[in-house]
Amino acid sequence: DSGVTQTPKHLITATGQRVTLRCSPRSGDLSVYWYQQSLDQGLQFLIQYYNGEERAKGNILERFSAQQFPDLHSELNLSSLELGDSALYFCASSVEPAAPYEQYFGPGTRLTVT
Amino acid sequence: GENVEQHPSTLSVQEGDSAVIKCTYSDSASNYFPWYKQELGKGPQLIIDIRSNVGEKKDQRIAVTLNKTAKHFSLHITETQPEDSAVYFCAASNIVGYGGSQGNLIFGKGTKLSVKP
Repeated sequence: DSGVTQTPKHLITATGQRVTLRCSPRSGDLSVYWYQQSLDQGLQFLIQYYNGEERAKGNILERFSAQQFPDLHSELNLSSLELGDSALYFCASSVEPAAPYEQYFGPGTRLTVT
Repeated sequence: GENVEQHPSTLSVQEGDSAVIKCTYSDSASNYFPWYKQELGKGPQLIIDIRSNVGEKKDQRIAVTLNKTAKHFSLHITETQPEDSAVYFCAASNIVGYGGSQGNLIFGKGTKLSVKP
């Protein structure tokens, strides 16, 4: 158990809908990262937050957005969902964005868009 | 940007044998190389990492080597056991300090390791 929690574990929704995925980082970690894992694209970095502020963006679509709250939990919002958005979404956390480097992953949310 | 290639995509070994997974990276500025193990239905688990100022690191049955000149790094698992069966991912990152895009991991496509009893 990494200490990172994610809810829900599974999510099934229809095209065009909007969903919110939630992540709680390990106790003491200030930085949160979101990754998407699909069969064809592998694990891809989406976005990073540190202590409530956006730090870096990766291959995140404009239909997706995220935020980190004062209690450090983070939410990833996916809107206007398409079939291709079906994937595993992982949250990871670390103490700081640059050190001690290690990122610890949560168990993921499996999103199925029908 | 950084690109990480990982080989092989699948690897099958007998219990007790060694397994080696290799990765190459493209960005010479990358300086942090973690390895993750992902079991079915679970998130990636950090098993070992190496930084660019070190050539080799060991932790019990696993070791990682880094060749900065050739821009490749490898995971070595000795005395493999059935519980080592999983998908292994290498990753690379450029940690340049506070701010910017540091800390974002670029992953290889993964290696499915099967250890046969």
